Amino acid sequence: AQSVTQPDIHITVSEGASLELRCNYSYGATPYLFWYVQSPGQGLQLLLKYFSGDTLVQGIKGFEAEFKRSQSSFNLRKPSVHWSDAAEYFCAVEDTGGFKTIFGAGTRLFVKA
Amino acid sequence: DAGVIQSPRHEVTEMGQEVTLRCKPISGHDYLFWYRQTMMRGLELLIYFNNNVPIDDSGMPEDRFSAKMPNASFSTLKIQPSEPRDSAVYFCASSSGGDRGSYTEAFFGQGTRLTVV
Repeated sequence: AQSVTQPDIHITVSEGASLELRCNYSYGATPYLFWYVQSPGQGLQLLLKYFSGDTLVQGIKGFEAEFKRSQSSFNLRKPSVHWSDAAEYFCAVEDTGGFKTIFGAGTRLFVKA
Repeated sequence: DAGVIQSPRHEVTEMGQEVTLRCKPISGHDYLFWYRQTMMRGLELLIYFNNNVPIDDSGMPEDRFSAKMPNASFSTLKIQPSEPRDSAVYFCASSSGGDRGSYTEAFFGQGTRLTVV
């Protein structure tokens, strides 16, 4: 079965520093991959998605992610973090044979001044 | 479109009572998903529908949980009887799963925070 692993439960970075959130997936074919962000008390908002083509995907709020098939990874990056980026981030993959989305456990990002 | 609309936003109920959560998906979307989010278990898929038909309900925890989608614009998730361990945030999401050309990601509602006391 498809699965998504986010090895970091939480990460703390300083405002203005760069960020990389890790995501590894298990999938037998070319996956559809997503990163969502959830602010406290809110629903999930899509940051970016990868369906096919260019392996470097640009998203909203200055985020990008790179699909690396050889490493089964889809890490999220941002060159300079803002305090408003503090939230929980979820990596997700589309399940085979259907359209349900399987989510990782999430990584909570803390931003310090 | 107003997005996925869930009601109520918050629900507090006593153990043993029936609880009904409601969802209006985005117009034109043919997939609807119910998720539950807790600190311990994260985001779990409970059930999803395609064209109003339940496709996979393997995530529904017990027979106390049931979900319906009587038409393309409305779905309910019912818990009867409710228990304290059902306390969680329940999200509804919808997507367009047509052919790959019209496929979209899942769009989420704001969630219903359920507290069973």
